[in-house]
Amino acid sequence: EAQVTQNPRYLITVTGKKLTVTCSQNMNHEYMSWYRQDPGLGLRQIYYSMNVEVTDKGDVPEGYKVSRKEKRNFPLILESPSPNQTSLYFCASSLSITGVAFFGQGTRLTVV
Amino acid sequence: DQQVKQNSPSLSVQEGRISILNCDYTNSMFDYFLWYKKYPAEGPTFLISISSIKDKNEDGRFTVFLNKSAKHLSLHIVPSQPGDSAVYFCAATSSGIGNQFYFGTGTSLTVIP
Repeated sequence: EAQVTQNPRYLITVTGKKLTVTCSQNMNHEYMSWYRQDPGLGLRQIYYSMNVEVTDKGDVPEGYKVSRKEKRNFPLILESPSPNQTSLYFCASSLSITGVAFFGQGTRLTVV
Repeated sequence: DQQVKQNSPSLSVQEGRISILNCDYTNSMFDYFLWYKKYPAEGPTFLISISSIKDKNEDGRFTVFLNKSAKHLSLHIVPSQPGDSAVYFCAATSSGIGNQFYFGTGTSLTVIP
């Protein structure tokens, strides 16, 4: 089954404790990206990747890092999480920039 | 600065009637537009898209209209069904501005049986 898998689904952490949210897709997609969804702000793109070893900043990259060492994986790293990064995060992948994007089920992160 | 705007946070429609969801954008470089539907506790799912070379795209009950001069697009759902109740996001992109996607804030559609 074609899917985008994010882990964990829920995470509560403390300020400053490094964390990684994993994202994996099994569709051989070139384009992957991370979004955060906040009330009243919709979905905002954090980082995206056009292909392996090619990543670029989206609209709200501050406080986040990503890597794309393999085509299928695109982890989101928060080196020093802060409470303003409490949000619902989605990973997505598509064959190309104009391809249909498949989203993961989301990761609800709370930073206290 | 929100480049893609959905000014109606919510919309209620009777089952069987038409639902019209609206989206405005500010960047004339956008050349590809998409609509996604999102149910609670799930990720968004793709619904329909349109390229800027077209002004209409239809897929079953869903039609997207694009008015480039007004920088406006709309999603029509006819007839509306209770299962259409969800949050709808419009999104825009252009390879000319770095392959980023910009989403609106979403419109919550409720279809009343």
